[in-house]
Amino acid sequence: DAMVIQNPRYQVTQFGKPVTLSCSQTLNHNVMYWYQQKSSQAPKLLFHYYDKDFNNEADTPDNFQSRRPNTSFCFLDIRSPGLGDAAMYLCATSMIAGETQYFGPGTRLLVL
Amino acid sequence: SQQGEEDPQALSIQEGENATMNCSYKTSINNLQWYRQNSGRGLVHLILIRSNEREKHSGRLRVTLDTSKKSSSLLITASRAADTASYFCATESNFGNEKLTFGTGTRLTIIP
Repeated sequence: DAMVIQNPRYQVTQFGKPVTLSCSQTLNHNVMYWYQQKSSQAPKLLFHYYDKDFNNEADTPDNFQSRRPNTSFCFLDIRSPGLGDAAMYLCATSMIAGETQYFGPGTRLLVL
Repeated sequence: SQQGEEDPQALSIQEGENATMNCSYKTSINNLQWYRQNSGRGLVHLILIRSNEREKHSGRLRVTLDTSKKSSSLLITASRAADTASYFCATESNFGNEKLTFGTGTRLTIIP
């Protein structure tokens, strides 16, 4: 089945230790998104790619970076995680920007 | 700032009853979407309604859109325990920025 896959599902890291979250898709969608969602809050867009074109939200901290080496994969790098970065990180894709998005199951990040 | 505000924040009803959730937004939109999120999981797309549409149905779901009031409602009829989840509206503005902005969400609990 076509889907959006996120690994790992749970990630524990230490304060200040870099961490990378991964997302892959078999939907062959042009657009990929990374969201941060804290408990009982709405998903907050961090960045999105339209093909290889990278779009960073104005309020996304510099501590967060992303890579999309090919259509299928996208990575979220957190260079120096702080306690406030503990959250669920959601990856999503869409064929057409602004249309229906397909979400992965998320990676829950815990920072110790 | 959040594009969408949802009302109520939390709703508990008996199984079999209808559930209605409302979403208000601030700027002109191309489309409005509703998503469901089960606890600790990714979001699942439910329905998309375009700015030139007023009502849309999908199974037990009915969505209305009033662009003059900048509001939408999601009605779930004959609720089931499996409908227990958080429900988010998301809007694509007509500024062509290729992204969705999510509302604050309604936490729905169906009591068996």
